[in-house]
Amino acid sequence: QSVLTQPPSVSGAPGQRVTISCTGSSSNIGADYDVNWYQQLPRTAPKLLIYGNSNRPSGVPDRFSGSKSGTSASLAITGLQAEDEADYYCQSYDSSLSGYVFGTGTKVTVL
Amino acid sequence: QMQLVQSGPEVKKPGTSVKVSCRASGFTFPRSAVQWVRQARGQRLEWVGWIVVGSDNTNYAQRFQERVTITSDMSTSTAYMELSSLRSEDTAVFYCAHGAGSDFDYWGQGTLVTVSS
Repeated sequence: QSVLTQPPSVSGAPGQRVTISCTGSSSNIGADYDVNWYQQLPRTAPKLLIYGNSNRPSGVPDRFSGSKSGTSASLAITGLQAEDEADYYCQSYDSSLSGYVFGTGTKVTVL
Repeated sequence: QMQLVQSGPEVKKPGTSVKVSCRASGFTFPRSAVQWVRQARGQRLEWVGWIVVGSDNTNYAQRFQERVTITSDMSTSTAYMELSSLRSEDTAVFYCAHGAGSDFDYWGQGTLVTVSS
């Protein structure tokens, strides 16, 4: 049961800015639970990209940024590069399910 | 350096069980949380459950509640995820991940479980 909704795909030319939305509800993002973002390159394990809504782990370029407002969150990629072509997932905690939930996933294509 | 190393691929028949291991190195295993995540081919990530190592506090996703058991062995810094009553729809890659807070900061390489008669 997917409770975090993302657009299936976004695309942009190299150097452009793209954003990925993550829409939740009052039992997850709207309940003030943190949103985390992961990047998954083809045939590899996911990698933590943003934690605690807007924080970057060491080594993640500052081209990636996260934000949260109300029942939604967003991931922005500025200065899009070919190596950013991957699947991106948001993740949070849901109180009605008493567990973690992932978003539906978004495929980013660099044109 | 934190590392999670998972056991190798498995092929199982429907109705049987599989047990996947996840060995940790580079961090204090006791009182860490180890998460398990499932990903069917071409599908999204799906949270399976967690264990707080040392306390054996576990929490399972509702859809797996009846069939999954997550355990840990502090002596070998290893966590295990056992899924029973396997069906073809369980064919997927299973990942373990370290969870210090609500985020999953280090991931294992994944274990492919194939369910086929």
